Amino acid sequence: AQSVAQPEDQVNVAEGNPLTVKCTYSVSGNPYLFWYVQYPNRGLQFLLKYITGDNLVKGSYGFEAEFNKSQTSFHLKKPSALVSDSALYFCAVRDIYQGGKLIFGQGTELSVKP
Amino acid sequence: AAGVIQSPRHLIKEKRETATLKCYPIPRHDTVYWYQQGPGQDPQFLISFYEKMQSDKGSIPDRFSAQQFSDYHSELNMSSLELGDSALYFCASSSMGAGVGTDTQYFGPGTRLTVL
Repeated sequence: AQSVAQPEDQVNVAEGNPLTVKCTYSVSGNPYLFWYVQYPNRGLQFLLKYITGDNLVKGSYGFEAEFNKSQTSFHLKKPSALVSDSALYFCAVRDIYQGGKLIFGQGTELSVKP
Repeated sequence: AAGVIQSPRHLIKEKRETATLKCYPIPRHDTVYWYQQGPGQDPQFLISFYEKMQSDKGSIPDRFSAQQFSDYHSELNMSSLELGDSALYFCASSSMGAGVGTDTQYFGPGTRLTVL
């Protein structure tokens, strides 16, 4: 079965500092991995995805993620955090064997303080 | 750019009533997914459609049904509503042309259903 785990419920970062939101995955076959962000009372916004190719994936709003096959991880990163980055972040894996639904991690609340 | 449209945005119902949620995918997207997000929870897959045919079914109660119409919009019908059905319901759309898994699902703003 496909699954992802986000080991941290909350991450606190000072504005201007680098941020990392962690995600590990467990899949059979090649992983198709995604990051989404959810602001309060809003839908999920797509940030980036890894399908194949370079292990470092660049996405929206200055975010990037590093795919590490040996560690089965897909951590989300940003070199310099903004207060406006404060939101709920979801890692997800695509279940390509059954219709392509997304299977989400439990989410990580990112708080960036001035 | 056009986004996924969901209506209504908010819905309040009594127990045992019925509700219909609508989803209008991004133009030229052929696939629609429905997800349910309970308070403090991650989104859980309910059901999906590709080219108007059901493609997958998740943990969707028998009281719920859905379909995708000829214009690709989708409706989620919920009957005999229970308190536990209170949640945020998301619709996402994608274009499956590139193959299952490589396409990106774009989410609508959600419908917040409250059952009293």
